Order: sequence, then structure tokens, then C-alpha cells
Amino acid sequence: QSVLTQPPSASGTPGQTVTISCSGSNSNIGSNTVNWYQQLPGTAPKLLIYRNNQRPSGVPERFSGSKSGTSASLAISGLQSEDEAHYYCAAWDDSLRGVFGSGTKVTVL
Amino acid sequence: VQLLESGGGLVRPGESLRLSCAASGFSFSDYYMNWFRQAPGKGLEWVAYISNGGNTIYYADSVRGRFTVSRDNARKSLFLQMNALRAEDTAVFYCASAGGGIEAAGPVGVDVWGQGTTVTVSS
Repeated sequence: QSVLTQPPSASGTPGQTVTISCSGSNSNIGSNTVNWYQQLPGTAPKLLIYRNNQRPSGVPERFSGSKSGTSASLAISGLQSEDEAHYYCAAWDDSLRGVFGSGTKVTVL
Repeated sequence: VQLLESGGGLVRPGESLRLSCAASGFSFSDYYMNWFRQAPGKGLEWVAYISNGGNTIYYADSVRGRFTVSRDNARKSLFLQMNALRAEDTAVFYCASAGGGIEAAGPVGVDVWGQGTTVTVSS
């Protein structure tokens, strides 16, 4: 069972906005930064968002992250077919371990 | 900027395996490194963290006491010695780093990933 809680699935039609939540606790999200990873089938994960809301170079602006208290969220606006993937939130926990969400599969209808 | 894992394979329960991760294209000695894994059909799991100098190391509870992470900055290489392997260790193992230019992303904030190496533990 994952330490961070994500919905197992989310979906939307092309052009819509999809939001994925990630719920944790004071010892992880509440006191450390949140990162989001995208994983396409059969490939290594890719960093989408780091330090709660920062995009690495090359990540489109339609991906955005936010954090409030012990929860974080990833929004994908202007949904595109190539956004079909699994999305994972991750954070450091004060018990000196990395923690992940169980992942959210995004489907473009 | 690249990471390349090697050393995966098929082993029996109780046996050992040593994974390697070769870095290129960035200043390896400046960055912390992590090992992650993904069991078949499952999500991502953090395995181990090692600081840039190698003097700070953390492990997931599931591998502590069985796995040992180390690095050789002169050879730009990361290692994971895995002993007493179990069936539940079967996974694709990834090494990852923040060597792609991000800053202050936290210990599990990594923007460079290897392609993964598969470890299968089965009798």
C-alpha cells in the first residue's frame, strides 16, 4: 500500500483539463517538496514537475503542479492523446525514505 | 546526459546480484543518486539514496540489510549490491539523478533516468 494516495484513474476528452490529486501527511508532503513523474508504457519515468510547481526544461506549460498543506495536485490542460500515461507523485518523508503514490492512469477519450 | 544500467538477470531466491549504472554527460560527482524499481504491473518504488560524496545513504525498509548502494565518482558509476534476493524483488531497476539541471528538488527529485535493467528472482 502506497504512502501517498492517488486516484487509480482519470480521463478526459482532447482539450479538456484533467486534475490528479495526491494526498500525504505532515511528514512527507506537509514538510517536503512534491515531484510528479509521467510514465509511458514500456519506458522509464520522466520528470514533469519538481519542487511542487516547477517544470523542467522541455515540459509543456499545460502541465502544472500545486501544493497545499498535505496535498498536491497535477493539472493537465488542453489534454492531448499523447498524454495517455501513468502519473506518479513522489516526495521525501521525514522518516528518511522516499515515498510514491500508487499512480494514476490517464485515459484520453 | 545519460545513465546506463547493467547487471540484471535471472537468479534463484537467496542468491546475489550486483547492478551497475554508468553516467555520462554530466558532472556525476556533484549529484546525489537514487535506485528505484518497478515490479511487473505495479507502481514505482524508491529503493535507495546516496549523496554525491557517498557518505549519506538511505534505504527502503523492504531492502535494508540486504541491499548495499555505493558509488565510484572517479569511474562515474553507481552500484547496487543485492543479497538474499526474494521473489518479491523481481522488478525493473532504474538508477536516476538530478544531473539534468534541476535544483532543490529534494532527494527523490530526479530528472535523468536510465532505461532500466530487469531482475527476476525465481526458482
